[in-house]
Amino acid sequence: DAGITQSPRHKVTETGTPVTLRCHQTENHRYMYWYRQDPGHGLRLIHYSYGVKDTDKGEVSDGYSVSRSKTEDFLLTLESATSSQTSVYFCAISESMGGTHNEQFFGPGTRLTVL
Amino acid sequence: QKEVEQNSGPLSVPEGAIASLNCTYSDRGSQSFFWYRQYSGKSPELIMSIYSNGDKEDGRFTAQLNKASQYVSLLIRDSQPSDSATYLCAVNMVSNDYKLSFGAGTTVTVRA
Repeated sequence: DAGITQSPRHKVTETGTPVTLRCHQTENHRYMYWYRQDPGHGLRLIHYSYGVKDTDKGEVSDGYSVSRSKTEDFLLTLESATSSQTSVYFCAISESMGGTHNEQFFGPGTRLTVL
Repeated sequence: QKEVEQNSGPLSVPEGAIASLNCTYSDRGSQSFFWYRQYSGKSPELIMSIYSNGDKEDGRFTAQLNKASQYVSLLIRDSQPSDSATYLCAVNMVSNDYKLSFGAGTTVTVRA
């Protein structure tokens, strides 16, 4: 993995509790992304960041918020977890979005179960 | 129409054969195309990127791009059991602010 770590790697929580997932990179890439992967839906973008304190929504952003206070860290928060948010969450990084050098590299993932 | 479509699979090939994976995309303006390999329970791993029409070879992998037909493919030559995985096609969607759109994936099984 291209210098990307995610924590925790596994988490079980109860409906209604807040949950924060962390992504940390050592590549100094500008762009960071949060995806979720579910059977039958593939990889879907939740939120992404194009710089410190600069974030934008993806296609499945409802119920999620993000923050990026440092280049290397991108946090995903589930304000009040629901069973529909049970999924595998992947963080990804890239140097750019358009043009070249826009390859995305993925972290190891976090498996979240909401009971 | 889905933004990125892959042949549904699963695809089963004998060891040593060529595995051929296909992908079509809807955004005619897209410029960047990627293939990821994902083993069960693991994260997607980038194996090929292609930006220009034609073929790009890297070891046993060849990516082929035809922008006029909005088609990108991946060939795996001399398939090995270690190639058994799900392969994801991804396209940078110019029409969606260069966000990456993924196909559903094609699962490949290489029979020893």
